[in-house]
Amino acid sequence: DTGVSQDPRHKITKRGQNVTFRCDPISEHNRLYWYRQTLGQGPEFLTYFQNEAQLEKSRLLSDRFSAERPKGSFSTLEIQRTEQGDSAMYLCASNRVSINTEAFFGQGTRLTVV
Amino acid sequence: GDSVTQMEGPVTLSEEAFLTINCTYTATGYPSLFWYVQYPGEGLQLLLKATKADDKGSNKGFEATYRKETTSFHLEKGSVQVSDSAVYFCALSDTGANSKLTFGKGITLSVRP
Repeated sequence: DTGVSQDPRHKITKRGQNVTFRCDPISEHNRLYWYRQTLGQGPEFLTYFQNEAQLEKSRLLSDRFSAERPKGSFSTLEIQRTEQGDSAMYLCASNRVSINTEAFFGQGTRLTVV
Repeated sequence: GDSVTQMEGPVTLSEEAFLTINCTYTATGYPSLFWYVQYPGEGLQLLLKATKADDKGSNKGFEATYRKETTSFHLEKGSVQVSDSAVYFCALSDTGANSKLTFGKGITLSVRP
């Protein structure tokens, strides 16, 4: 078990470009969460999946954001037409709903939009 | 909606000093409460948790007690070490440990030798 893995760790992109991040949760975990963290703030919930079903989306998740978890394993978060305000750390977390375990976090993907 | 308020930081202490980091919350129902820690260059890690009123979570010498009457979950440690230097986040989950987390802003603790 290598923990929650996120790729890439850092991404610099030009405004208007599309970016995609990947999260690989701990293998037996059926819930997967995405959070966004800006400088000086705590993480803010974006969305979560149970298996392949996306069960909740925050109002922070604008139409330019889309997340998928097609086979109930890894997940991707895509941001279309990036804006400077999208610059943040994007965190992924996972846990197993059948056992009362805490969420385990990945190290995050730091996005910088220039 | 749910919210978590942490005391303003940063906090700088000398080694072996007593630590208190205040955390209060607003939530409907009966949330679970957590302290997460982020060491430099690492991801968020659960430090301790409490799932019902009057529960005390503890780990690595840190403690926090779930106080429903004051809606608080203050973090304490009797004697901090340089290795405790990190960012500390208070968080709540409104439907138990398997739901989404609402975090406070976090506070940076620096411990000097």
